Amino acid sequence: EIVMTQSPATLSLSPGERATLSCRASQGVSSSNLSWYQKKPGQAPRLLIYATSTRATGIPARFSGSGSGTDFTLTITGLQPEDSAVYYCQHDFFGGGTKVEIK
Amino acid sequence: QVQLVQSGVEVKNPGASVKVSCKASGYSFTSYGVSWVRQAPGQGLEWMGWINGKTGDAGYAQGLQGRVTMTRDTSTNTAYMELRSLRSDDTAVYYCARDWGYVRDIWGQGTMVIVSS
Repeated sequence: EIVMTQSPATLSLSPGERATLSCRASQGVSSSNLSWYQKKPGQAPRLLIYATSTRATGIPARFSGSGSGTDFTLTITGLQPEDSAVYYCQHDFFGGGTKVEIK
Repeated sequence: QVQLVQSGVEVKNPGASVKVSCKASGYSFTSYGVSWVRQAPGQGLEWMGWINGKTGDAGYAQGLQGRVTMTRDTSTNTAYMELRSLRSDDTAVYYCARDWGYVRDIWGQGTMVIVSS
């Protein structure tokens, strides 16, 4: 079983700033199989990025993904108030999530 | 439009079973799989398993093996998740999601399952 570890647990930033979220796999995974999701309270998860760097339909360009092997990154440039959420990476299993708070 | 609609809230006693349904519309049901994911109160997302919409083959998370069964009915484009021997820590919101090779792009609205005596 491949374990996904996300850091930091919480990120508190101001509007307009850049958020960098890290996801590390316990062993190398195919870049085709790494996705990122946004989860807000009371809502279903929303697919943001798949295959490491491909934005899902309707996802703003301020969301981008990168990485390979065991280390992957979700970057949100120009944070908006509506980006306040918990972000999860996933191979099969989800990482523990990073909570992004907007000051 | 493409959507997944899940069944409603369930309240169960410990030791009972629950079966949640997920009805697909707007796409070819047998061309995709369906994953099940749950979120307990205050916790993160937990992937439970996956079923192939065409073949019905299923794979489950190790921690749920023996308690969970995922099935599908291609005549009604509906996927099902049954969880047995319920415990209080199974209290969660359960989601289904359309799955195509590690991508879960369409999600159901979620089904709250409460396990309490």
